Amino acid sequence: NAGVTQTPKFQVLKTGQSMTLQCAQDMNHNSMYWYRQDPGMGLRLIYYSASEGTTDKGEVPNGYNVSRLNKREFSLRLESAAPSQTSVYFCASSPEGTYQPQHFGDGTRLSIL
Amino acid sequence: RKEVEQDPGPFNVPEGATVAFNCTYSNSASQSFFWYRQDCRKEPKLLMSVYSSGNEDGRFTAQLNRASQYISLLIRDSKLSDSATYLCVVNTNAGKSTFGDGTTLTVKP
Repeated sequence: NAGVTQTPKFQVLKTGQSMTLQCAQDMNHNSMYWYRQDPGMGLRLIYYSASEGTTDKGEVPNGYNVSRLNKREFSLRLESAAPSQTSVYFCASSPEGTYQPQHFGDGTRLSIL
Repeated sequence: RKEVEQDPGPFNVPEGATVAFNCTYSNSASQSFFWYRQDCRKEPKLLMSVYSSGNEDGRFTAQLNRASQYISLLIRDSKLSDSATYLCVVNTNAGKSTFGDGTTLTVKP
């Protein structure tokens, strides 16, 4: 049982390049999330999708777009990468409901030069 | 003021010690609570949920104090492998999750 799968695991970009981070879950969860974590810092929510067909901004959405392609997949796109977006990106999913914890993928380590 | 606050530490303790972390939250509408563990540069992993009556899982005990709006995590008989960052998470009745910034624990031989 794979859980939450993120691709790629590592990526180096040049300033101004674009890329899409992929996330898929096989737990039939309704809600999915994208976070970033900078060195020595806590998690910050970028975007989330409470259910298929809906997306909402989190704490730090600027510079990012998301697509909830279907119930399984939630992608994060950087249209024009900036060095300030160098970070570790985590995708998470959870069943619907207040009492459910989130389950995380193992992250994408992104460096922007 | 942050919605969820944790003492960042670091907590440096010897093997076998008992250590406790607190986490305070500001939203009185918070409904559910969790502790996660995060190893260096890896994904957060669910350690345990926190129930109103308190709950225990082996060497780990979690407690909730709704009146004072804090949760705690007690680790008994610390092992070297307990060294990690511990995150508390608070869910509101709107389904929003808020993560604390974490408390770092180092267990030394």
